[in-house]
Amino acid sequence: QKEVEQNSGPLSVPEGAIASLNCTYSDRGSQSFFWYRQYSGKSPELIMSIYSNGDKEDGRFTAQLNKASQYVSLLIRDSQPSDSATYLCAVSQNTGNQFYFGTGTSLTVIP
Amino acid sequence: DVKVTQSSRYLVKRTGEKVFLECVQDMDHENMFWYRQDPGLGLRLIYFSYDVKMKEKGDIPEGYSVSREKKERFSLILESASTNQTSMYLCASRTLGTGGGEQYFGPGTRLTVT
Repeated sequence: QKEVEQNSGPLSVPEGAIASLNCTYSDRGSQSFFWYRQYSGKSPELIMSIYSNGDKEDGRFTAQLNKASQYVSLLIRDSQPSDSATYLCAVSQNTGNQFYFGTGTSLTVIP
Repeated sequence: DVKVTQSSRYLVKRTGEKVFLECVQDMDHENMFWYRQDPGLGLRLIYFSYDVKMKEKGDIPEGYSVSREKKERFSLILESASTNQTSMYLCASRTLGTGGGEQYFGPGTRLTVT
């Protein structure tokens, strides 16, 4: 069983703060890692992908990957109320076809 | 931009009806997926296809079948709809690029079976 674990939350942060979302995975063969944002009633939207150890920054978002610890995180700087959503972590093997999703962390940014 | 479209946003069907959900992607992706999403259970994979006419069962294939006659189109079929199939159905597609490829979702179909 390939498991992806996330804190279900809810996580609440004040506007302007840094939100930190965490994800661990069980399959050491995982090579590709993704963060999706899902607003209530909508489909998941890809916001970050990361494939190598270290940090990857895109605007206010930073993904961090540590394969030795089997850990991937997402930092959202200067959080805005529009960031309030559920964030899904997903992992995949390079040669495999399937994605494995966590159950998501609900984030609320308080104005 | 990758575009994945689904035939209906909302659908209401009666128990026992045969239901077709259609998904089309315009990016020549090899892989296509059908998921259902229920509160507290997350995304669960029903079926996926890695090529035309090829399919593989996911985690919860019972009560469902799929068809992929053309690369851009992947259909999910509920042979005899039941109330426990009331759910949000999400289609996704993915290319096999370097690093594994990113997966993109359609807007979803919220199916209610009465």
